[in-house]
Parts: sequence; structure tokens; C-alpha cells
Amino acid sequence: GDSVTQMEGPVTLSEEAFLTINCTYTATGYPSLFWYVQYPGEGLQLLLKATKADDKGSNKGFEATYRKETTSFHLEKGSVQVSDSAVYFCALSRRALTFGSGTRLQVQP
Amino acid sequence: DAGVIQSPRHEVTEMGQEVTLRCKPISGHDYLFWYRQTMMRGLELLIYFNNNVPIDDSGMPEDRFSAKMPNASFSTLKIQPSEPRDSAVYFCASSQTGTGGPNGYTFGSGTRLTVV
Repeated sequence: GDSVTQMEGPVTLSEEAFLTINCTYTATGYPSLFWYVQYPGEGLQLLLKATKADDKGSNKGFEATYRKETTSFHLEKGSVQVSDSAVYFCALSRRALTFGSGTRLQVQP
Repeated sequence: DAGVIQSPRHEVTEMGQEVTLRCKPISGHDYLFWYRQTMMRGLELLIYFNNNVPIDDSGMPEDRFSAKMPNASFSTLKIQPSEPRDSAVYFCASSQTGTGGPNGYTFGSGTRLTVV
């Protein structure tokens, strides 16, 4: 069946550091890929998405590229802020979302 | 648009009681999803509807759980009888298409259920 694997957290960075959160997936066909973010006590918010191979999703300085050859969708940001501290979920969709386990990001001032 | 609206935000109930969670999807969204989030199991899909019809309920844990969508603007998730292991955050989400559509899947703020 479909599955998503994310790097274990927490990831702790200093402000303005470069961020990478790894995500790989297993699925038949060509799923859409997503990154969602969850702030403490809140629901999930769509961060970015990509619907086909080589598509790059971007939003609020975050980027991820749909790599079919490596079945990956790694999340990157060039300079993180304290306000980026949250849990990040990678997900794929063919009929409904299948989520990874989430990666907690802690950004220190 | 007010987004996906869930109620209540918090629910504390005693073991054996019936619990009903409610969800109002975004108008015009044809798909509605119920997810459960726990520390141990992460985010799990329980059931989803298309045009008010249940399409896949394979994630519903057992017969104690039931979900309905009587019309396009309302859905319920019921647990009867509730057990402590049902304690979790329950999210409702809606989307224009099964694969998310141009704006992806929109989630509600969730209902935090505690069964004591």
C-alpha cells in the first residue's frame, strides 16, 4: 500500500540556518505530494504541493521538488525563523491523504 | 469562507458514554474526510465521503465507530460506547476533488477527545 517516510525529529536549528526535512514515498502510479504544517494546538495547514514529476512547490520561503526517480519530496528553506517552529508532515494523495509520521522543528533564537 | 468547522473543540467523557463529533465542510467541496491523530499512530484516515456517500471506511477501528453525512454541509462521527483508547484529536477535512484540487485539503481545528 501507499506509505510516506520522514526523517525522525526533533530537528533543532538556530535562526537563519538552512533547513532540510527528508521525505520519501512508496505508491503506485503518480500521486500528488504535499507538505502540511501543524502549529501547537492547531489543525494542519497546507504549506505546499506538487502534482507531477519535477514540479516544485513553494510557499513562505519553503520549497520542495517532486522527484519521481528517487521517490522523494524533501522540504527545504534557506533561512529559518523562530516562527517556523512546528511539526511538518509530508503526505501523498491518490484518493485521500496518507501522512508521514511528522518531523518536529525547533528553531532557537 | 469560514473554513472547515468542527465542534466541540474539546470533549471529556466517561468510558461507556456516547460521543458525537461534528463537522461542517467548506461549501462546494465534494469530499469530506475524518482523521484521527495520536502520538502512537500518527494521523490515520478513518473514513471519507464523496457527494455525501461513504467511499472508504476501512480505517474505522471497529463497530463502535460510525460516521454519517446526511447532507453536503454536515457530517458526524459517533463513538458508542467510548473507551479510554479512543482518546485522540479527531480532524475533519474537505476538498474539491479526491486528490485535493487546486487548494489541497482543508482541515478543521480538530476535536480533542478525552475518555476517562
